[in-house]
Amino acid sequence: ELKVEQNPLFLSMQEGKNYTIYCNYSTTSDRLYWYRQDPGKSLESLFVLLSNGAVKQEGRLMASLDTKARLSTLHITAAVHDLSATYFCAVPPTQKLVFGQGTRLTINP
Amino acid sequence: DTGVSQNPRHKITKRGQNVTFRCDPISEHNRLYWYRQTLGQGPEFLTYFQNEAQLEKSRLLSDRFSAERPKGSFSTLEIQRTEQGDSAMYLCASKEAGGGGHEQFFGPGTRLTVL
Repeated sequence: ELKVEQNPLFLSMQEGKNYTIYCNYSTTSDRLYWYRQDPGKSLESLFVLLSNGAVKQEGRLMASLDTKARLSTLHITAAVHDLSATYFCAVPPTQKLVFGQGTRLTINP
Repeated sequence: DTGVSQNPRHKITKRGQNVTFRCDPISEHNRLYWYRQTLGQGPEFLTYFQNEAQLEKSRLLSDRFSAERPKGSFSTLEIQRTEQGDSAMYLCASKEAGGGGHEQFFGPGTRLTVL
């Protein structure tokens, strides 16, 4: 059974700092998705990573995928308060998505 | 608004009652998914449809749960004889068919509270 693990689960950081969220998964997959969720809201698609070595960037967020290591990273550069949210990675073993536990990110002024 | 819509947004019910939720996917998407999310956890897959065919069901989907998509457009999720453990956010998502890695787009969810 596919397992998807994120770390850290909680991250509190100051504005202006850089940090990385890690997503490991247990079985082979050539694609991975990152979503953002604000409190009480639904999930917003951030990145679709479709192959080994894929790198996508949007603003202060950059995601990468290493399918051989079964690892994806979400890097935050010069964090700002608006990025405070919970971030999920998800892997599609079949048509469904298997999600990680989420990383709750809090960015303090 | 051309996104995924769900109704109702909130539902409070008493234990033992039946509830039904509705999901309207993005119009050109023929794949529709249901997930359940409890507080502090990631969404968990329940079931998915391609057009009107229900192609996969999770073991989380007990016999009290039933989902339909009769005309391949909107879908309903019914929970019979609700239990307090059913309290959760129920999320619907839709996706284009075929390859290409298209992501699933999520609706706003229905938050169920069972008293």
